Amino acid sequence: AQSVTQLGSHVSVSEGALVLLRCNYSSSVPPYLFWYVQYPNQGLQLLLKYTTGATLVKGINGFEAEFKKSETSFHLTKPSAHMSDAAEYFCAVSDTGNQFYFGTGTSLTVIP
Amino acid sequence: NAGVTQTPKFQVLKTGQSMTLQCAQDMNHNSMYWYRQDPGMGLRLIYYSASEGTTDKGEVPNGYNVSRLNKREFSLRLESAAPSQTSVYFCASSRGRGAYEQYFGPGTRLTVT
Repeated sequence: AQSVTQLGSHVSVSEGALVLLRCNYSSSVPPYLFWYVQYPNQGLQLLLKYTTGATLVKGINGFEAEFKKSETSFHLTKPSAHMSDAAEYFCAVSDTGNQFYFGTGTSLTVIP
Repeated sequence: NAGVTQTPKFQVLKTGQSMTLQCAQDMNHNSMYWYRQDPGMGLRLIYYSASEGTTDKGEVPNGYNVSRLNKREFSLRLESAAPSQTSVYFCASSRGRGAYEQYFGPGTRLTVT
């Protein structure tokens, strides 16, 4: 089975600072990788995904992530944090099967 | 398009009561999923349906049953609710497996007293 590890259940950054949310996965086959965002009292929304091709993936709201096979990582970054980025972020991995495997989430706080 | 809809939004049950959570999608997706979300545990898969007419257990199926009524609808039933089932429940759908992303409903917040 796949597994996903998100380092840091809580991350705080100042407005305008770099956002870095970490995700590592274990997979015996090439994975499909996803980042989702959850705002309070809402469902999850897709930020970006990696399936094949270019390893640097750009998503919505200025976020991007880089697939590094050698490090089994898929970290999420944004150059400049905005107050509206405060939310819970989930990394997920899938393979050729039917299931997604989610990390336990990282809560991002943006300090004005 | 409404996407994925769930009813009800909130529910309070007493221990031992039963209820059904409803989920529908209007994106003509083949696969549908039920998750529960608990603090610090992320999302855990309860059941999924890879296609109409099929259902399979996920990571935490005990105490739940599901029905894939048709391609659009996938319901989750709690036959005898327990306090441990207090959670937020999300329904999701996708075109298929693997590279296809999942689309999530707004969730149902269930409290069992």
